Amino acid sequence: DGGITQSPKYLFRKEGQNVTLSCEQNLNHDAMYWYRQDPGQGLRLIYYSQIVNDFQKGDIAEGYSVSREKKESFPLTVTSAQKNPTAFYLCASSLAGALGNEQFFGPGTRLTVL
Amino acid sequence: QKEVEQNSGPLSVPEGAIASLNCTYSDRGSQSFFWYRQYSGKSPELIMSIYSNGDKEDGRFTAQLNKASQYVSLLIRDSQPSDSATYLCADRRQGGSNYKLTFGKGTLLTVNP
Repeated sequence: DGGITQSPKYLFRKEGQNVTLSCEQNLNHDAMYWYRQDPGQGLRLIYYSQIVNDFQKGDIAEGYSVSREKKESFPLTVTSAQKNPTAFYLCASSLAGALGNEQFFGPGTRLTVL
Repeated sequence: QKEVEQNSGPLSVPEGAIASLNCTYSDRGSQSFFWYRQYSGKSPELIMSIYSNGDKEDGRFTAQLNKASQYVSLLIRDSQPSDSATYLCADRRQGGSNYKLTFGKGTLLTVNP
């Protein structure tokens, strides 16, 4: 089955802890993205990567970090510096460059800070 | 900041009617436009993409694009209760060598049996 997987589905974190969200795709897509969604809000871009070993900040990168060591994987770390991390986190992938019009999403991780 | 605007709704239509969802965008450089459907608690699912002025039909869905007016719409014919969801509009714009999507906040559609 081709697709995007995210784990875990639900994650609970205590204040002051860093947590890492997993995103894996087997669609052979070069580009991967992380979004955050809050209730009643649209998707806001956190980080994106067009190619292995390269990534760019999106609109709300503060308090987050990413790596892109493999084409298939784009993990997101939510650090203790993120002021309000409780949200629904969505990973997406697409072809890169001018061909990469359509983004496809994983099932998401719901993070709750206790 | 360049925006994508949608009426938050809720938009309520009876089963079998046509649902009309609207979206405006502010960046004239936007090249591609997308409609995603998101059921409550789930991730967005791509249902339509449109790149040229005019209409694009796929089954019960028709996307309409008017670049001069910076307006995109989605029509759902013969609406079904299973169409009840939030519909997200997005545009794709180029920043240097990179491309990214900008999403509206979504319109909640309810189809009443």
